[in-house]
Amino acid sequence: QLVLTQSPSASASLGASVKLTCTLSSGHRSYAIAWHQQQPEKGPRCLMKLNSDGSHSKGDGIPDRFSGSSSGAERYLTISSLQSEDEADYFCQTWGTGFRVFGGGTKLTVL
Amino acid sequence: QVQLVESGGGLVKPGGSLRLSCAASGFTFSDYYMSWIRQAPGKGLEWVSYISSSGSTIYYADSVKGRFTISRDNAKNSLYLQMNSLRAEDTAVYYCAREGGDDNYFHFWGQGTLVTVSS
Repeated sequence: QLVLTQSPSASASLGASVKLTCTLSSGHRSYAIAWHQQQPEKGPRCLMKLNSDGSHSKGDGIPDRFSGSSSGAERYLTISSLQSEDEADYFCQTWGTGFRVFGGGTKLTVL
Repeated sequence: QVQLVESGGGLVKPGGSLRLSCAASGFTFSDYYMSWIRQAPGKGLEWVSYISSSGSTIYYADSVKGRFTISRDNAKNSLYLQMNSLRAEDTAVYYCAREGGDDNYFHFWGQGTLVTVSS
């Protein structure tokens, strides 16, 4: 069964960078994922699709501060030059025939 | 621009039914798979169901199988979720989302509609 694992929380200072991790379960390291951001009291929005080779395609209007990378079963979201509006929940998601799966989400606090 | 607007949420008693709608605009609705996703209060996201562009292929999460029915009307640019035998644990904000043309992550999301199941 495919499972996505995320740390529940992360924090970083205003203007700094942070790297969030999404780990694919054993046997599923070739899967692409998507990163979604959910700001407080809002619906989610898609940030990017991230492939196993680290290539990624961002949604319209997503700032250059957001980037993705991959290593083995790990998928990363890096946010640089952190701003206050980046304080949000970040979810990874993958898919296949008959299923769509989310990670548990990481709550990012901007200090 | 792509817009997805959910409606139909509300308060319903356990065992009751509710029908959610999602009105789509800004894209050719009949070209895309669509999904329903929910989020219980203070919790993460849970995929509920998806339907293919033609409506011929449908899948459900185990937690709703046999109780919920997804459907679409491509002539009306609308997606639906019929929810029967509702339980307290179905209480959540329900989002509709548009998938990609070539891949199945959620490119666009609606703002959600709240369903509360309580006596």
